[in-house]
Amino acid sequence: DTAVSQTPKYLVTQMGNDKSIKCEQNLGHDTMYWYKQDSKKFLKIMFSYNNKELIINETVPNRFSPKSPDKAHLNLHINSLELGDSAVYFCASSPSLGELFFGEGSRLTVL
Amino acid sequence: AQTVTQSQPEMSVQEAETVTLSCTYDTSESDYYLFWYKQPPSRQMILVIRQEAYKQQNATENRFSVNFQKAAKSFSLKISDSQLGDAAMYFCAYRLYNFNKFYFGSGTKLNVKP
Repeated sequence: DTAVSQTPKYLVTQMGNDKSIKCEQNLGHDTMYWYKQDSKKFLKIMFSYNNKELIINETVPNRFSPKSPDKAHLNLHINSLELGDSAVYFCASSPSLGELFFGEGSRLTVL
Repeated sequence: AQTVTQSQPEMSVQEAETVTLSCTYDTSESDYYLFWYKQPPSRQMILVIRQEAYKQQNATENRFSVNFQKAAKSFSLKISDSQLGDAAMYFCAYRLYNFNKFYFGSGTKLNVKP
């Protein structure tokens, strides 16, 4: 059983389009995250939800909108995609104490 | 502000030898966790080892061990008997004990030579 699963694993799309990435965790964790990993491999926190409540919202364009329908799911919707949005997006979850558990990542390529 | 610094962008080690990856962090807190994550070319992020700041004993997981120096705010990872499968990006990370925000270093790419 995959602990943190995200879909799709790969997206290739044109500039200006809208896309969504879905994430689900079956670990019972209260907190979920979205991270962006750029071409230089730097990991940057985008959002974090705790029990469906937004607790971290870093400086991210408002074209990015997270949605958490319940504490096991955190989806990411991106409007009007730009070339600079090309990256790997990781979903993750954590218990109240301890480490991050990552999904496999979703590689987004904007043409 | 909490920051994590990995000063070695890339390192190489001969198979079967030992290598140490460096990590320093900046915090004014006393209770926190430190982690090392491995990211192989498959891009999956894998936890290698974790250390609770209140524990004086250095964490060990098989061939992986850390040298945790709390006063110096240093947290290095030692890989013994390096194997080809150890080739990956390694990320050092920090989180406060009671707050779910993780800070990552910029990563060190480890090459393992046969």
